[in-house]
Amino acid sequence: ILNVEQSPQSLHVQEGDSTNFTCSFPSSNFYALHWYRWETAKSPEALFVMTLNGDEKKKGRISATLNTKEGYSYLYIKGSQPEDSATYLCAFYNNAGNMLTFGGGTRLMVKP
Amino acid sequence: NAGVTQTPKFQVLKTGQSMTLQCAQDMNHNSMYWYRQDPGMGLRLIYYSASEGTTDKGEVPNGYNVSRLNKREFSLRLESAAPSQTSVYFCASSEFGTSGFGSTDTQYFGPGTRLTVL
Repeated sequence: ILNVEQSPQSLHVQEGDSTNFTCSFPSSNFYALHWYRWETAKSPEALFVMTLNGDEKKKGRISATLNTKEGYSYLYIKGSQPEDSATYLCAFYNNAGNMLTFGGGTRLMVKP
Repeated sequence: NAGVTQTPKFQVLKTGQSMTLQCAQDMNHNSMYWYRQDPGMGLRLIYYSASEGTTDKGEVPNGYNVSRLNKREFSLRLESAAPSQTSVYFCASSEFGTSGFGSTDTQYFGPGTRLTVL
């Protein structure tokens, strides 16, 4: 069982704040790192899939970076809005397990 | 185009009862998955089906069985429910599967089934 850890577990910010959180994963046998966004009472939806060391992805105000050598990825949200409130999940894929292993998620709450 | 659908949305069982959770996808995806979600533990894979006719165990398969009925449908069965199986269950599908291209394959999730075992 692979250990994928996300920190912090939860985060409260004010509207307009920029924020970031971390996903840590084993650096061996790396294939891909996924980020999903999960709003309350909805289903998880894919944000990014990252495969290369140094990769950076961006979608609107949300961006993510990847360091496969040290085993971490950061997710950044610039100018948080209340609609950004959700749980952000990362999931790691390596060639040993042939499956996605999810972290516990970071729950973001943005206050207006 | 409904994506991934699951039935039922809610279910309450008594210990020892059995039930089947149904999942269907209309995206012509090859692979399908069953996850459970417990507080603070993210999503844990129970079983998956890389392609029609195949099924494999995930991280937490004990107490469950699955059937890939056809390309569209993947069911999860609890033969004798236990309180430890109280959870929210999510079905997902992806285009390519769990080998080769599967590592970058986006998974599409259903709305979830909230199961309580008393």
